[in-house]
Amino acid sequence: KQEVTQIPAALSVPEGENLVLNCSFTDSAIYNLQWFRQDPGKGLTSLLLIQSSQREQTSGRLNASLDKSSGRSTLYIAASQPGDSATYLCAGYASGGSYIPTFGRGTSLIVHP
Amino acid sequence: SQTIHQWPATLVQPVGSPLSLECTVEGTSNPNLYWYRQAAGRGLQLLFYSVGIGQISSEVPQNLSASRPQDRQFILSSKKLLLSDSGFYLCAWNVGLGQPQHFGDGTRLSIL
Repeated sequence: KQEVTQIPAALSVPEGENLVLNCSFTDSAIYNLQWFRQDPGKGLTSLLLIQSSQREQTSGRLNASLDKSSGRSTLYIAASQPGDSATYLCAGYASGGSYIPTFGRGTSLIVHP
Repeated sequence: SQTIHQWPATLVQPVGSPLSLECTVEGTSNPNLYWYRQAAGRGLQLLFYSVGIGQISSEVPQNLSASRPQDRQFILSSKKLLLSDSGFYLCAWNVGLGQPQHFGDGTRLSIL
């Protein structure tokens, strides 16, 4: 059974720092990996999807990488801003069968001015 | 463009009362639909998913049920709520298995 772990669980940084959020998964037979953002009391907003044939995806100040052999994905946030404060979740889609995603518990990020 | 709607946004119910949460998707046909629960301090737990009308897969046995009466409508129900049913319920959709999921704004359910 796929397990997804996110480290750190919480992070507080000053504005302007470059950040790396980590996501590790136990089953390397992963189909896709998706990163989400969740604001307090809200649903999940999709940030990036990395397909199994890809190694990274970029959107603005966000860059996500996927290394299936090591079971890791990282989300890089450049020049962090207070508006980036949220919980970031990763989800690994199992290959074969139902392709149901397994979610990590998230990293709670606070960027203070 | 596609949109997903969930309602109500918040709900306070007594123990033992029934439940009906509704989710609808617009702008796409034959989506896969999902119900998740997010409890405080825990990750997202998949409750049910559906790949078509009348097709429901249950991931966690409990006193909840789901139905899909129309192509873009997904309903989460219970006949008698338990205290442990409290949580944040999220509906999601995608165009196919393994494709990126898109979430609604969620329903905060409190059981008294």
